[in-house]
Amino acid sequence: AQSVAQPEDQVNVAEGNPLTVKCTYSVSGNPYLFWYVQYPNRGLQFLLKYITGDNLVKGSYGFEAEFNKSQTSFHLKKPSALVSDSALYFCAVREGGGSYIPTFGRGTSLIVHP
Amino acid sequence: SAVISQKPSRDICQRGTSLTIQCQVDSQVTMMFWYRQQPGQSLTLIATANQGSEATYESGFVIDKFPISRPNLTFSTLTVSNMSPEDSSIYLCSGGRLGLGNTEAFFGQGTRLTVV
Repeated sequence: AQSVAQPEDQVNVAEGNPLTVKCTYSVSGNPYLFWYVQYPNRGLQFLLKYITGDNLVKGSYGFEAEFNKSQTSFHLKKPSALVSDSALYFCAVREGGGSYIPTFGRGTSLIVHP
Repeated sequence: SAVISQKPSRDICQRGTSLTIQCQVDSQVTMMFWYRQQPGQSLTLIATANQGSEATYESGFVIDKFPISRPNLTFSTLTVSNMSPEDSSIYLCSGGRLGLGNTEAFFGQGTRLTVV
């Protein structure tokens, strides 16, 4: 079985400050990890993924995420937040070589204050 | 990546009626999925749309209520049948060339359904 936990319903950060959105996962085999962003009244937009290789992955809009196998975490980060980053963020996991169906976390609402 | 066009983007429907949502992908994808999402909440998988055969439904979802078609590798429809206010939600289609060297799925823009 695979699962994802996003422990924070909401993250508040001031514009220009660094942001972190937390994600931990559980999967039987090798994890394939993903972050998606959803703006109001829109579908989910793919941000970045970890499949293998470097633990720090870079994605769209200046976002990056760090894979930590020992802590089974895949936190999303950005060095300097923008007001336009305010959105709902979803972490997802699936088992590499297993089902192609990802399991999504419950989502974290990021609010960046001017 | 694949671009998925979903329509309608929103609709307000009378209870007891049915609505069909369409998803068109700009390239062939191996897998397509249909999700339901309450506003501000996570995604619940309804079913996997299988090309040329019956969809695979998740627990709690049945074909009579949510019939799905997928006649080819670029198109799928989801029908919400005999609607009630409890069906008010956002419906999302998703797909990707999974298993062919690609790993992530992409999403349509979503359909916001309100049943009155």
